[in-house]
Amino acid sequence: GAGVSQSPRYKVAKRGQDVALRCDPISGHVSLFWYQQALGQGPEFLTYFQNEAQLDKSGLPSDRFFAERPEGSVSTLKIQRTQQEDSAVYLCASSFDRGQGEQYFGPGTRLTVT
Amino acid sequence: AQRVTQPEKLLSVFKGAPVELKCNYSYSGSPELFWYVQYSRQRLQLLLRHISRESIKGFTADLNKGETSFHLKKPFAQEEDSAMYYCALSGKAAGNKLTFGGGTRVLVKP
Repeated sequence: GAGVSQSPRYKVAKRGQDVALRCDPISGHVSLFWYQQALGQGPEFLTYFQNEAQLDKSGLPSDRFFAERPEGSVSTLKIQRTQQEDSAVYLCASSFDRGQGEQYFGPGTRLTVT
Repeated sequence: AQRVTQPEKLLSVFKGAPVELKCNYSYSGSPELFWYVQYSRQRLQLLLRHISRESIKGFTADLNKGETSFHLKKPFAQEEDSAMYYCALSGKAAGNKLTFGGGTRVLVKP
């Protein structure tokens, strides 16, 4: 079966532009996570959904970052007025259950803000 | 707050030599510890988790609560083990999110 997919794989944005990053989790997976991975660092948590409910958004770095999962499947991470410090790989992960099940990662979207 | 530290950015070993990747953590409560691996041009994937007590691809890791460590070991490294390795923790107090270390790049030379 298909794993977690993300699109686009690469995105170049000029500073100040808005971007939208898409995540398609594994079908039937309840939990969905977004992580940000800066160059040379480990992934850092951004936000977590259980079905359509956003249960934790404590990792979102500013109010320019917004995530949604309106029907409990596909999720979109939106960044408004992008800044150079937003340049990173954005990873999406999903897991089957509501507990601490294995998280399956997508390939990531590499965002470069120029 | 939870924290994961991987002190080595790069480990270079010869094929057949032992390899040990260090991981230390701080967490209030009972954490669940993981090792994730990312091979070249592949996505991040789970290697092993402490609750399963399995050996995967010859790797083992033991949770030492006294030393707050979860070091990853393999007695005989293979060239296909060359990859980025990330230690991560999760726990009830942290919700379901993973907290990752900075990663260790392992290079196994022939």
